[in-house]
Amino acid sequence: DAKTTQPPSMDCAEGRAANLPCNHSTISGNEYVYWYRQIHSQGPQYIIHGLKNNETNEMASLIITEDRKSSTLILPHATLRDTAVYYCIVRELLYNQGGKLIFGQGTELSVKP
Amino acid sequence: AAGVIQSPRHLIKEKRETATLKCYPIPRHDTVYWYQQGPGQDPQFLISFYEKMQSDKGSIPDRFSAQQFSDYHSELNMSSLELGDSALYFCASSFHQTGRFLLRELYFGPGTRLTVT
Repeated sequence: DAKTTQPPSMDCAEGRAANLPCNHSTISGNEYVYWYRQIHSQGPQYIIHGLKNNETNEMASLIITEDRKSSTLILPHATLRDTAVYYCIVRELLYNQGGKLIFGQGTELSVKP
Repeated sequence: AAGVIQSPRHLIKEKRETATLKCYPIPRHDTVYWYQQGPGQDPQFLISFYEKMQSDKGSIPDRFSAQQFSDYHSELNMSSLELGDSALYFCASSFHQTGRFLLRELYFGPGTRLTVT
């Protein structure tokens, strides 16, 4: 699976948009970009995923550049409860493989009042 | 909605003892994953099972073993415990179509905090 690079930490003011970048310059054509987050000591939580088109759900938006070498997770109106470590994971679609997620170093987002 | 259940939530063991962690996946999920997260570390993949067969293996020590049962619950057995085994252990479950690992989200349980003294 391709490696990802994320800033180790970011701050965001409550109510503002949080934009979390991720670099995945070695991504291949059949690899998806997944985002998970982990609130302190809880199990990781799925946020969103995409292949090449921008995606939006009730939690966040995912913007993937045209060359697919980077992406940005957007939390439109960050709240204190969004304080967590955010993981960007590139995951290959492989038949008859385990489908595991490989966590790298994520971004620790601190939402401040 | 039902979530992944892990038991126990907390476990304290002494060095060289054994421990068994249990995971009950979301109903109808057929795949279980185990992760270990040490203090200040990112979750590390240990092992996974699909339809009661081991489907993938990560950095699981030889002292650990795991299996998935006919009701799809899974157990992680840990022997000769060491201080370094103190960690959060997460179980995740997912559903895959028969014979095909199409991308499905993994749903994580709350974890078991193991402390080895």
